[in-house]
Amino acid sequence: GENVEQHPSTLSVQEGDSAVIKCTYSDSASNYFPWYKQELGKGPQLIIDIRSNVGEKKDQRIAVTLNKTAKHFSLHITETQPEDSAVYFCAASINSWGKLQFGAGTQVVVTP
Amino acid sequence: ETGVTQTPRHLVMGMTNKKSLKCEQHLGHNAMYWYKQSAKKPLELMFVYNFKEQTENNSVPSRFSPECPNSSHLFLHLHTLQPEDSALYLCASSSIKGNTEAFFGQGTRLTVV
Repeated sequence: GENVEQHPSTLSVQEGDSAVIKCTYSDSASNYFPWYKQELGKGPQLIIDIRSNVGEKKDQRIAVTLNKTAKHFSLHITETQPEDSAVYFCAASINSWGKLQFGAGTQVVVTP
Repeated sequence: ETGVTQTPRHLVMGMTNKKSLKCEQHLGHNAMYWYKQSAKKPLELMFVYNFKEQTENNSVPSRFSPECPNSSHLFLHLHTLQPEDSALYLCASSSIKGNTEAFFGQGTRLTVV
């Protein structure tokens, strides 16, 4: 089955700097790659997603890149703010919005 | 508020108790999911329901028993749990087709004593 690895497990950045989280997946059939943000005491919330027919997608300060050949995808957050502090999860799936294989998560801490 | 509501938010139960977790979605979705989130482990998919029918059981022990009476409601019945079952249980919903992501509830924090 699919296996998703996520790095780093923790990431500390100064406010205003950029943050990058990387994930790799094992099943070349995977075609949907969402990123979720989970704040303390809340459930995961989608922040951006990308499908296998697209190499890059951007939404304001957040961008995701996908390299199908290398089977890895990355989340980029620019101009980080304290409210970006949370746990971020990458995931992969085959033809499903909700049947997801998740990475282990990255704890992002943005210091003022 | 994501449109997916889980109750209770917190639950403490003994190993001989029987309890149920409830999930309700008001998004018109036709697929629902149970995930388990343990400390320092990835979210683990437990069950998948499409149009009220269970389509996936990821080798979950029988002490966890799901029920989906309609596309808007999902239950997880618990009995004779073990302390290692303590975790955050998350419900999610999505459309089977169409252009929508999965929405998660806030979860039920379960502690088995």
